[in-house]
Amino acid sequence: ETGVTQTPRHLVMGMTNKKSLKCEQHLGHNAMYWYKQSAKKPLELMFVYNFKEQTENNSVPSRFSPECPNSSHLFLHLHTLQPEDSALYLCASSPSLAGARDEQFFGPGTRLTVL
Amino acid sequence: AQSVTQLGSHVSVSEGALVLLRCNYSSSVPPYLFWYVQYPNQGLQLLLKYTTGATLVKGINGFEAEFKKSETSFHLTKPSAHMSDAAEYFCAVSARSSNTGKLIFGQGTTLQVKP
Repeated sequence: ETGVTQTPRHLVMGMTNKKSLKCEQHLGHNAMYWYKQSAKKPLELMFVYNFKEQTENNSVPSRFSPECPNSSHLFLHLHTLQPEDSALYLCASSPSLAGARDEQFFGPGTRLTVL
Repeated sequence: AQSVTQLGSHVSVSEGALVLLRCNYSSSVPPYLFWYVQYPNQGLQLLLKYTTGATLVKGINGFEAEFKKSETSFHLTKPSAHMSDAAEYFCAVSARSSNTGKLIFGQGTTLQVKP
């Protein structure tokens, strides 16, 4: 595998379910990000991790719980979601937070539908 | 605070015609500037970026963009559209002094290419 991978690619869940999204980067990067992409809205940054430490929580509801066990893996644990949480969830990575000129590398996303 | 505005949420061109996607930023200090493309059911992919030096930047797939400080713009162009260019395009900025990894995205422009 190369680049940034995300699993699953599609997920349908009920409001009472608990599920997790997984992201893995094979680029040797130290910073990882979760974004939410909803229809007709700009990308929303949710969380930022740098060297496994969370550096940004952009006022995300507690029903979204991130986990970063190491610099290569990032999880987003989901529980008691609402239908308005249905969106494409994108993971990204970059060499570090200090490199403002560095691009972020994105995974293909997980299309989440909450029923 | 920085912001990015993409004029036109939807642009339609004929195959072979010029593509022009507009991006303006608001920042007291010129930021780093990026254009990303998102094909259906995929993540974002970097097309090009401006960090320093020559203000005309060439990217992948024949795209280029010009940084104009006086106009606070970074418009994306391609001389001749191809059907495969149909996608969503995002302009993004990063503050030069940033150590947060934050990218500020525009709302995106959907490019339709007609045969």
